[in-house]
Amino acid sequence: GEDVEQSLFLSVREGDSSVINCTYTDSSSTYLYWYKQEPGAGLQLLTYIFSNMDMKQDQRLTVLLNKKDKHLSLRIADTQTGDSAIYFCAESMDSSYKLIFGSGTRLLVRP
Amino acid sequence: GAVVSQHPSWVICKSGTSVKIECRSLDFQATTMFWYRQFPKQSLMLMATSNEGSKATYEQGVEKDKFLINHASLTLSTLTVTSAHPEDSSFYICSALTDRGLDNSPLHFGNGTRLTVT
Repeated sequence: GEDVEQSLFLSVREGDSSVINCTYTDSSSTYLYWYKQEPGAGLQLLTYIFSNMDMKQDQRLTVLLNKKDKHLSLRIADTQTGDSAIYFCAESMDSSYKLIFGSGTRLLVRP
Repeated sequence: GAVVSQHPSWVICKSGTSVKIECRSLDFQATTMFWYRQFPKQSLMLMATSNEGSKATYEQGVEKDKFLINHASLTLSTLTVTSAHPEDSSFYICSALTDRGLDNSPLHFGNGTRLTVT
């Protein structure tokens, strides 16, 4: 079945790098996404990666995909207090764009 | 960029009443919209896929008669929670699908509607 798992909580100091991890079970995933959710708000797409890619970098964000281990990570360089939020990884298995979300990782950035 | 507007952003209603939530794509047409539900401190669970001009496709375990979805136009989908009960209190989020690849992503989320049933 479909299952996406994340660690629940991560705390880092401002200026350090944050790495948020995600594992998924369905090897037929076509797209994998990272979303950010601030309190009481909707979802903001941060980045996404096609399943045939290993890495994608976009400014402070680096996504790594290990298809063999079904492991996805999001690295945030020079983490700022404004990065404090919940981060969700999500996968879609086909062109329908129905997303299966992970449980979310709450990132706390300490000054 | 693409904007999806949800209305209302929050609503409080009494048990037994019905509540309608709107999801609009403001600057693009969306043949498909998705409705998600999020309980506090939990993940988003897909409730249904809404297709313009046809019946919605509901996920397993979601009551069709309780959560009525209407996708009457290419820019509007509505979710009506009928005969609401306190256990329906949740954060409801919609997303709209465009094939134009706006902002490098075909999926655009609304800001959500927080429903509290007293």
